[in-house]
Amino acid sequence: AQTVTQSQPEMSVQEAETVTLSCTYDTSENNYYLFWYKQPPSRQMILVIRQEAYKQQNATENRFSVNFQKAAKSFSLKISDSQLGDTAMYFCAFMKLGGSARQLTFGSGTQLTVLP
Amino acid sequence: DAGITQSPRHKVTETGTPVTLRCHQTENHRYMYWYRQDPGHGLRLIHYSYGVKDTDKGEVSDGYSVSRSKTEDFLLTLESATSSQTSVYFCAISARDSLAYEQYFGPGTRLTVT
Repeated sequence: AQTVTQSQPEMSVQEAETVTLSCTYDTSENNYYLFWYKQPPSRQMILVIRQEAYKQQNATENRFSVNFQKAAKSFSLKISDSQLGDTAMYFCAFMKLGGSARQLTFGSGTQLTVLP
Repeated sequence: DAGITQSPRHKVTETGTPVTLRCHQTENHRYMYWYRQDPGHGLRLIHYSYGVKDTDKGEVSDGYSVSRSKTEDFLLTLESATSSQTSVYFCAISARDSLAYEQYFGPGTRLTVT
């Protein structure tokens, strides 16, 4: 079974600054995907970024980028130029490839507050 | 917008009553999922479906059943609701033609069992 750990329950950052959210995972699988989801106060789950385990290059989506360290089983999210709208709960998630399920295993989340 | 709706959006029910939550999608996706979200646990998979009449259990399936009689609808049933099933329930789909395996979520249903 896979486990995903987010060790920072809460974080805050000043507007326009950079913040990094941590995520580690435990798996014996070699082929998998990793995701970051954002959940603002509206409760909607929004996909932020994904990373394929077979790719060495770190994924980037505008102000969001990841630092993927496969050997260390670490998958951190960096948010640059933080904006007030980035205030949300952020979830790291793991998906094993193969089989019929395509199941996501989530971490417990990090509440990020962007301060004006 | 992945075309996912959930109904009802909010429900309060009493212990021991049956409850059915509905997930509806408009884009013919093969995979559908039900998750529950509780403080300190993130989202946990209850059941999933990989086609009409094809379903399987997830991590926290006890006390829940599902049905999928047509592609667009995935129903989650609590046969006899308990207070421990008070939660926010999310439906998700995995795009049929996506090679990237993303899951897209509905707006959620807040269920309170008194």
